[in-house]
Amino acid sequence: DIQMTQSPSAMSASVGDRVTITCRASQGISNSLAWFQQKPGKVPKRLIHTASSLQSGVPSRFSGSGSGTEFTLTITSLQPEDFATYYCLQYNSYPRTFGQGTKVQIK
Amino acid sequence: EVQLVESGGGLVQPGGSLRLSCAASGFTFSSYEMNWVRQAPGKGLEWLSYISSSGDTIYYADSVKGRFTISRDNAKNSLSLQMNSLRAEETAIYYCVCGGWLAYWGQGTLVTVSS
Repeated sequence: DIQMTQSPSAMSASVGDRVTITCRASQGISNSLAWFQQKPGKVPKRLIHTASSLQSGVPSRFSGSGSGTEFTLTITSLQPEDFATYYCLQYNSYPRTFGQGTKVQIK
Repeated sequence: EVQLVESGGGLVQPGGSLRLSCAASGFTFSSYEMNWVRQAPGKGLEWLSYISSSGDTIYYADSVKGRFTISRDNAKNSLSLQMNSLRAEETAIYYCVCGGWLAYWGQGTLVTVSS
């Protein structure tokens, strides 16, 4: 099984900050990676697929990059509505595996 | 608009069984792969099972293999998850999710395993 390791597990940031979250796969997954955002009590929402393709309707301050085993999610200017938990998901093979999540909190 | 509505959650004793259902609408259900994903209280997301659009191909996470069974009825636009031998640590919200890349999610149904 492919293990997905996310870092950091939690972080504090201020509105306007640039935020970067990293996801590392235990083996190469090409660009078969998605990023999800989940707010408390809400359903996860897919932000990015194919490592860098923005889901329709997602603000352009979100971007994804990477290929193979190293991936990043970047939020260029953090907004109040972006405080949430973020998960990566590999869909290169089964079983699908998520990262453990990164909680972005208000500093 | 894609709509996925789960049902069948509730309280069950350890060792018991429960059958979850997911009613799909707003898209051609028979053309899409489907999945079940769960999330224990305060924990992360865990993928559980996949079924192909025709139902011919099925995968499970090791944690549920042999105890959970995924199925679908394309004529009724419905997805199911039969869960047997449930454990306390499987208390979670169970989500029905459309697409091999987990594009669309239902609101989830809460399963509580407790005596």
